[in-house]
Amino acid sequence: QVQLVQSGAEVKKPGASVKVSCEASGYTFINYGISWVRQAPGQGPEWMGWISAHNGDTNYAQKFQGRVTMTTDTVTSTAYMELRSLRSDDTAVYFCARDYDPLKGYYVNLDHWGQGTLVTVSS
Amino acid sequence: EIVLTQSPATLSLSPGERATLSCRASQSVRSHLAWFQQKRDQAPSLLIFDASKRAAGTPARFRANGSATDFTLTISSLEPEDFAVYYCQQRSNWPPLTFGGGTKVEIK
Repeated sequence: QVQLVQSGAEVKKPGASVKVSCEASGYTFINYGISWVRQAPGQGPEWMGWISAHNGDTNYAQKFQGRVTMTTDTVTSTAYMELRSLRSDDTAVYFCARDYDPLKGYYVNLDHWGQGTLVTVSS
Repeated sequence: EIVLTQSPATLSLSPGERATLSCRASQSVRSHLAWFQQKRDQAPSLLIFDASKRAAGTPARFRANGSATDFTLTISSLEPEDFAVYYCQQRSNWPPLTFGGGTKVEIK
């Protein structure tokens, strides 16, 4: 069965960076993309960006351009999301989700999600 | 960026009742709309994709329809496990993907 397992909770100081991992299993990793979505306390989901597991192409939400980097490791079927220059309003649960890759053609839409990683930014 | 507006913000109903949730897009998303259910302290769970197609495991009491800018999710008879927050999400002309603000279905 498809599973996405994320790394554990993090506490960071303002200005620091955080890197969250998302290990995929149960499907052919390179046939899909991974989207990253965050959810601040009491708020709705917010899409951060997408990466193709096939060739590493990325699309980032404008809000995070220059501050986020998404990568994948096809050997370990793991996706990573690094967010830099953290601020208190980056405190949120960060999710990875399996997504469509137009170059591969296997259509899905955020059909499987990781369990979420709480990132707390506090001085 | 396409903005999705969900209504109502909160729906107070009893088990067995019918729930009707609305999602309106600021411009046409064709049929590229999905619905998610989110329970407390859990990840969102895909219910519906492509406006009306049930995802694997979605019970038949969940039905959705619509196209272009107006979409509806109907739960025909609420079960206790259906009380949750529901979000719509579009992927027309992405990026970006965007989500609506959510409708909370609570027990009356």
